[in-house]
Amino acid sequence: GENVEQHPSTLSVQEGDSAVIKCTYSDSASNYFPWYKQELGKRPQLIIDIRSNVGEKKDQRIAVTLNKTAKHFSLHITETQPEDSAVYFCAASWSYQLTFGKGTKLSVIP
Amino acid sequence: EPEVTQTPSHQVTQMGQEVILRCVPISNHLYFYWYRQILGQKVEFLVSFYNNEISEKSEIFDDQFSVERPDGSNFTLKIRSTKLEDSAMYFCASIGLVVNSPLHFGNGTRLTVT
Repeated sequence: GENVEQHPSTLSVQEGDSAVIKCTYSDSASNYFPWYKQELGKRPQLIIDIRSNVGEKKDQRIAVTLNKTAKHFSLHITETQPEDSAVYFCAASWSYQLTFGKGTKLSVIP
Repeated sequence: EPEVTQTPSHQVTQMGQEVILRCVPISNHLYFYWYRQILGQKVEFLVSFYNNEISEKSEIFDDQFSVERPDGSNFTLKIRSTKLEDSAMYFCASIGLVVNSPLHFGNGTRLTVT
């Protein structure tokens, strides 16, 4: 089955700086890569996703890049704000089952 | 915007008791899921359900677990004899027909086994 590795497990940045979270996956058949943000005690919420026919996608301060050859994808958050503080999960899927990474706890220091 | 709804939000039960967690997926969705998240850990896949049967299940989903769609709207997860290690947040989720559509999560049920 699919295995998704996510790094780092914790990340602290100053407000206004950028944050980068990286994931690798094992199953070359995976072709869908969403990112979820989870605030304390709440459900994971989709923030951005990318499909394998695209190398990069951007939505305001958030961008995701995908390298299918190397089987890794990354989340980039620019101009971080305190409200970006949360746990971020990457995931990979080739059909109807998502496999999640272990999560990155992002802390944005005002 | 339609949402996946879960009840109850918090369930406390004694070890060995049976619990049923309930979910109402988004009405035109066809794939349903249960995920589990132990406090501070990642979201783990339990089971997927399509066309009134289990399509995939993980190693976590052993004989103590079962799922059911008793009517046209509800989707339930039953744990027959709860163990302390079953304490976790359980999320229901659903997807429409299109492969690799975003997964819509419910707000979760926090299960505490004492």
